[in-house]
Amino acid sequence: AQKVTQAQTEISVVEKEDVTLDCVYETRDTTYYLFWYKQPPSGELVFLIRRNSFDEQNEISGRYSWNFQKSTSSFNFTITASQVVDSAVYFCALSGSGGYQKVTFGIGTKLQVIP
Amino acid sequence: KAGVTQTPRYLIKTRGQQVTLSCSPISGHRSVSWYQQTPGQGLQFLFEYFSETQRNKGNFPGRFSGRQFSNSRSEMNVSTLELGDSALYLCASSLAGESFNEQFFGPGTRLTVL
Repeated sequence: AQKVTQAQTEISVVEKEDVTLDCVYETRDTTYYLFWYKQPPSGELVFLIRRNSFDEQNEISGRYSWNFQKSTSSFNFTITASQVVDSAVYFCALSGSGGYQKVTFGIGTKLQVIP
Repeated sequence: KAGVTQTPRYLIKTRGQQVTLSCSPISGHRSVSWYQQTPGQGLQFLFEYFSETQRNKGNFPGRFSGRQFSNSRSEMNVSTLELGDSALYLCASSLAGESFNEQFFGPGTRLTVL
């Protein structure tokens, strides 16, 4: 069975602070894929990043960066110099091998960036 | 390119009734997945369809069913509604429903059961 744990349910930061959203996963698959999605107040989830289990290289995209560590089964997401527009619910998700898509989502972390 | 559309956006029903929700995927996407989102449970996977076939199903009772049409549009049906079925129902499409495909989500249908 797959499981994704986002221990932080709500985080508040002041604008321009850095913030890290934690994600810990469990799976028995050797091949799997991890995702982060953003759900702004408007409601629609938006895909941010995908990482496969064989690629532990960290990734940076502008103010966003992701740290994938198989040894600790974690796929953390850091926002540098947060902005009010970053306020949203962020979901970490896991898709196992087996071809067909059956995605397990974490419960989400609600991030509030205070101006 | 048009995004994923879901209709209706809001729905109010009473216990015991049934409801049908509709989802139109992005053009060219053949996989449609459905999720139930509630504050306490987050997003929970309902089922996934590809080429009119249900390939995966989550842990929901048989009252929840779905189908997909030849144009990839999908419908979800909930029969004998219960208060606990109140939730945001999200539809997501992907190109081929492979494990590595990112999903594109619609705005959801907010179902309230009274």
